[in-house]
Amino acid sequence: AQRVTQPEKLLSVFKGAPVELKCNYSYSGSPELFWYVQYSRQRLQLLLRHISRESIKGFTADLNKGETSFHLKKPFAQEEDSAMYYCALSVRDSNYQLIWGAGTKLIIKP
Amino acid sequence: SQTIHQWPATLVQPVGSPLSLECTVEGTSNPNLYWYRQAAGRGLQLLFYSVGIGQISSEVPQNLSASRPQDRQFILSSKKLLLSDSGFYLCAWSVGPPGQKYEQYFGPGTRLTVT
Repeated sequence: AQRVTQPEKLLSVFKGAPVELKCNYSYSGSPELFWYVQYSRQRLQLLLRHISRESIKGFTADLNKGETSFHLKKPFAQEEDSAMYYCALSVRDSNYQLIWGAGTKLIIKP
Repeated sequence: SQTIHQWPATLVQPVGSPLSLECTVEGTSNPNLYWYRQAAGRGLQLLFYSVGIGQISSEVPQNLSASRPQDRQFILSSKKLLLSDSGFYLCAWSVGPPGQKYEQYFGPGTRLTVT
């Protein structure tokens, strides 16, 4: 069965330190993966999609099919990065559903 | 550009009362529509999704129901609320096949408190 695992419910790092939010998935086909972010009092929004291979707000995420991972990374954390982060998997036979991880709350300490 | 609206933003209802949450999308046609419940520490739980008018798929058996009376309108309802229905409800839309875009776009949410 398809599944997305975010092993950390809470991640706390100091400003300027590197950040890595872990995401592992289970899917036998070709995955499409996304990172969504929800800042305090704002709506959930798309941060990154793996097919775009983009860097948004300094964040990058590389799909590792061998390790079935899609970890979100940023070399130098900023206080405004504090938010809830969700990893999501889209599978072509899922009737357009996204399969969501449980989310990781990122706190950046000053 | 596309926008998605949800109302009300907050709602306090007594146990046993009915519920109606509304979601509308502007600027797109024939979207896929979704209702989620977001619980602290538990992520997003998909409740219902719809690929067209009158087409509703339920993911979780419960006392909630959904309807899609118009192409860009999605309604979440209950005849009798339970305390366990309290939560943050999100509506989302996406563009369907055969394109490459599977990402979803979310509304601002409704905070429901059942007392």
